[in-house]
Amino acid sequence: GAVVSQHPSWVICKSGTSVKIECRSLDFQATTMFWYRQFPKQSLMLMATSNEGSKATYEQGVEKDKFLINHASLTLSTLTVTSAHPEDSSFYICSARTTGFLNTEAFFGQGTRLTVV
Amino acid sequence: AQTVTQSQPEMSVQEAETVTLSCTYDTSENNYYLFWYKQPPSRQMILVIRQEAYKQQNATENRFSVNFQKAAKSFSLKISDSQLGDTAMYFCVLGGGAGSYQLTFGKGTKLSVIP
Repeated sequence: GAVVSQHPSWVICKSGTSVKIECRSLDFQATTMFWYRQFPKQSLMLMATSNEGSKATYEQGVEKDKFLINHASLTLSTLTVTSAHPEDSSFYICSARTTGFLNTEAFFGQGTRLTVV
Repeated sequence: AQTVTQSQPEMSVQEAETVTLSCTYDTSENNYYLFWYKQPPSRQMILVIRQEAYKQQNATENRFSVNFQKAAKSFSLKISDSQLGDTAMYFCVLGGGAGSYQLTFGKGTKLSVIP
């Protein structure tokens, strides 16, 4: 199957700083990528849908200015957590689906564990 | 709005036995797709099985099979000959139709396979 690479796998940052998470589709073009947040022992919560070359669509309650998403190419989307605070600590997962086929599985990155201290 | 309900937060099964995970969903779409994903302790999401709503035949992948009841909007997963490696969180997922690529996740069922 297709591979989505997410980097870094884990990161620790100081409160008030920003951290960038990368999501790359390695062997296919991903017009659309999705960013999720997962709290311990809970399901995935969709944060935003990222379309190549256009602004991301954020879910209700997700702060656009805090979670900056850039999808500049068909193989790369980035999530930047700006001015991070301890409550932003979580597990973040990206996924991508190939275009044109609604039944295709979503390919997920390995996830990034963010700890803000 | 689409919803997915998994009513079993946790389940356990003896190794080599069979277990069924339940899932119900709601959607107004005619064309949609259903998936079961597993998330082992590594937290990597892995596709287990998929079902196209327009297909009446239940999908099967080796030890994994589904019971898809479209009228009842039910989509259960049966795991036969359970193995220790099946221990994971299992998510029932609904894929939108009409050009929507978003996925709707259930809350998950934590499955533990006991030696």
